[in-house]
Amino acid sequence: KAGVTQTPRYLIKTRGQQVTLSCSPISGHRSVSWYQQTPGQGLQFLFEYFSETQRNKGNFPGRFSGRQFSNSRSEMNVSTLELGDSALYLCASSGLAGGPSSYNEQFFGPGTRLTVL
Amino acid sequence: QQQVKQSPQSLIVQKGGISIINCAYENTAFDYFPWYQQFPGKGPALLIAIRPDVSEKKEGRFTISFNKSAKQFSLHIMDSQPGDSATYFCAAASGGFKTIFGAGTRLFVKA
Repeated sequence: KAGVTQTPRYLIKTRGQQVTLSCSPISGHRSVSWYQQTPGQGLQFLFEYFSETQRNKGNFPGRFSGRQFSNSRSEMNVSTLELGDSALYLCASSGLAGGPSSYNEQFFGPGTRLTVL
Repeated sequence: QQQVKQSPQSLIVQKGGISIINCAYENTAFDYFPWYQQFPGKGPALLIAIRPDVSEKKEGRFTISFNKSAKQFSLHIMDSQPGDSATYFCAAASGGFKTIFGAGTRLFVKA
């Protein structure tokens, strides 16, 4: 099976702009989660989508949004970019429906490195 | 209550030695504790995981020890090799929906 793919791999934007990142999960996986990784904060959970519905959301401002399409592909959008948004954005997919007895094995993509100037 | 505290931040171990990374959590609702390994330029990859009904799990040179009462768990890498040099993240999850990661440990194994 092909792994999780993310596009683009690298992106340079300036403050105030907006950006859209894309994630294609492993075929058959219906859950997609997004994380922000920075040297100081580690991996911070942004949100998780399952069957086009946002099931969970981290503590990020409303400038960060996402969506999931019927084919499970997901996009993340950041509006009004700030310098502090520079980070590696990781997408992870999981084949599990969730629930109290589920395992959360997540498969990560290589990430999109966003630099805000 | 949602935090997972990981230590140390960085670790240097001689080849053949044992690497130990520790994590602690607060939320007793967590029911799945994975460890991820990340090499530069790559996304994290699942290394080994444990559920709270088991006190230890071993896969090759990697062992998770889990102490439910203390709400702590640790990763032991036996016979550490230079190829193990990477960043390791512990994590905790509940209900299959949300995973909380520790801050990461950068491991360097000296040849």
